[in-house]
Amino acid sequence: GENVEQHPSTLSVQEGDSAVIKCTYSDSASNYFPWYKQELGKGPQLIIDIRSNVGEKKDQRIAVTLNKTAKHFSLHITETQPEDSAVYFCAAGSTNDYKLSFGAGTTVTVRA
Amino acid sequence: NAGVTQTPKFQVLKTGQSMTLQCAQDMNHNSMYWYRQDPGMGLRLIYYSASEGTTDKGEVPNGYNVSRLNKREFSLRLESAAPSQTSVYFCASISAIEQYFGPGTRLTVT
Repeated sequence: GENVEQHPSTLSVQEGDSAVIKCTYSDSASNYFPWYKQELGKGPQLIIDIRSNVGEKKDQRIAVTLNKTAKHFSLHITETQPEDSAVYFCAAGSTNDYKLSFGAGTTVTVRA
Repeated sequence: NAGVTQTPKFQVLKTGQSMTLQCAQDMNHNSMYWYRQDPGMGLRLIYYSASEGTTDKGEVPNGYNVSRLNKREFSLRLESAAPSQTSVYFCASISAIEQYFGPGTRLTVT
C-alpha cells in the first residue's frame, strides 16, 4: 500500500516568514495529492490539492509543488499569519477512488 | 465541516460494548469514507463506500463493520469495543470537485 512520510513534525515561524512542509510517497500509481489544515477539535479541511498532470499550483499565500520522478510534494505558505497556526496534513491517493493515505502531520506555530 | 454531520460527538464505552457511529452528507456525493485519527499517526482509512450498497475495506478494518443504506448515510459499527479502538473517528464525503470531513466522534473505550 501507499506510505506517506511528512516532515517536519513541528514548525515554528515568525509572523510574516514562510513555512515549508515536505512529504514523500511510495506508490507511483498515486496521482492525487491534497493538503489539509486541522484546527483543534475540528475535522481536516482541504486547503489545496494537486494532480499529477501539473507540477505546481498556487492559491493566494499557499502553493504546492509536485515532483513525480522523486515522489515528493511540498506545501509552501508565504507571509504567515497567526491564524495559520494549526496542524497540517499531506495525503496521497488516486482519483479513481480518492482513498487517501495521510502523513503524520506538522504542527505549525506562527509567533506574533 | 459544512455538509457532513456525525453523531455522537463524544462516547465512552466499556470493553465489549457495541455502538454505531452515524454519518450523513447532503452534497449528493457517491463516495463516503471512515477514518480514524490517533496521536502522531495522521488519519487511517477504515472503510470506504463508492456508492449506495457497496463497501470496501481500507487499511485498518478489523473490529469494524459499515453500512451504506442510502446515498446520504454511512454508518460505522463496533460490535465488541476494545481499548485499541480509542480514537477520534472522522467521516468524509468526497467527489472530484469537492470534499468535506465531518467534525469527528471522540471515542474512549475503557
